[in-house]
Amino acid sequence: KQEVTQIPAALSVPEGENLVLNCSFTDSAIYNLQWFRQDPGKGLTSLLLIQSSQREQTSGRLNASLDKSSGRSTLYIAASQPGDSATYLCAVMNRDDKIIFGKGTRLHILP
Amino acid sequence: NAGVTQTPKFRILKIGQSMTLQCTQDMNHNYMYWYRQDPGMGLKLIYYSVGAGITDKGEVPNGYNVSRSTTEDFPLRLELAAPSQTSVYFCASSYSSRRAAFFGQGTRLTVV
Repeated sequence: KQEVTQIPAALSVPEGENLVLNCSFTDSAIYNLQWFRQDPGKGLTSLLLIQSSQREQTSGRLNASLDKSSGRSTLYIAASQPGDSATYLCAVMNRDDKIIFGKGTRLHILP
Repeated sequence: NAGVTQTPKFRILKIGQSMTLQCTQDMNHNYMYWYRQDPGMGLKLIYYSVGAGITDKGEVPNGYNVSRSTTEDFPLRLELAAPSQTSVYFCASSYSSRRAAFFGQGTRLTVV
């Protein structure tokens, strides 16, 4: 059974700092891994999708990496801003077509 | 583009009542998913479908039913609502296992 873990559960950092969010998964037989952002009371917004054959994807200040063999992914946020405050969720697409989520990391950027 | 649309946005049910949460997408996506999100617990998969006429159980299917008669629609049925089903429900869709998933804005359900 696939299990997805995100560490830390919550994080507060001063504005301008670079930061890393971690995601690990127990079954490496995945199609892809996706990072989402969720603002309070809102739906999920897709940030980055990494296919199982890829090592990383970049979008603006965001960079996501994937090490499928070790079951790990990181989301790197450069030069953090108060508008980056949100919950970040990691999800893997299994070979049985299920998308399994971690519990998320609540990020607070201090002005 | 409408994307993934969920209705209603909010609903209060009494214990034992039933209701259907609606989800429709206009992106011609084959894959559709239903999740529930409880505070601090991430998203738990209830049911999913890889195409019209095909549905499968997720992690927490008990108390729910689904159908997929068309590509666009994937309704979630709650029979005999219980307080444990109080949650925020999200519907998602994806073109295939290789593509990104997109989410609706959610339905906040309270069972009293």
